[in-house]
Amino acid sequence: RKEVEQDPGPFNVPEGATVAFNCTYSNSASQSFFWYRQDCRKEPKLLMSVYSSGNEDGRFTAQLNRASQYISLLIRDSKLSDSATYLCVVIMNSGGYQKVTFGIGTKLQVIP
Amino acid sequence: DVKVTQSSRYLVKRTGEKVFLECVQDMDHENMFWYRQDPGLGLRLIYFSYDVKMKEKGDIPEGYSVSREKKERFSLILESASTNQTSMYLCASSSPSSGGYNEQFFGPGTRLTVL
Repeated sequence: RKEVEQDPGPFNVPEGATVAFNCTYSNSASQSFFWYRQDCRKEPKLLMSVYSSGNEDGRFTAQLNRASQYISLLIRDSKLSDSATYLCVVIMNSGGYQKVTFGIGTKLQVIP
Repeated sequence: DVKVTQSSRYLVKRTGEKVFLECVQDMDHENMFWYRQDPGLGLRLIYFSYDVKMKEKGDIPEGYSVSREKKERFSLILESASTNQTSMYLCASSSPSSGGYNEQFFGPGTRLTVL
């Protein structure tokens, strides 16, 4: 089983729609979780952190479910500019340093 | 403004050539990373460094080596390039964390093609 799994998509949604992505992780000892955004032919950039209590930033909400070992990203009122690939990141302390694992990313295409 | 630069955006090399990919960051970050990104496989860590002259293997170090002689510069070396090393190479840097995680800042990437 992969350490971090994401549905690669693409998710094609109309403008204004609400869309949600999940990301599952295999190691229950994982400690920190994040979402990065990667535009086409660009580098990844941090979108937001994911906390057990949930994290909301405008139209974006990130959640962590430790019992089921997944994180989610919800985007409300989708904009054309939200079209990108969304990478989940899972962090675990291992051997004195942090092991950072990226998912393969979920591609979102917002359609006019 | 945070900046990570990579020496080339596009590079074409022949099988067997020695290839150097350079990465420079201007944020005084201790941590630097080299990833490759391939369709369906995502970002995979090749090597990382937490200090000058220090290096650690990532998940896929075979066929690669690195050099960190100065804090701001982290070089990835392909000793003898092979076609399966055709990929997008991304460098990243971050400041050290004490228990938490500090955001990784990525360079624009180098698309390497090995013929």
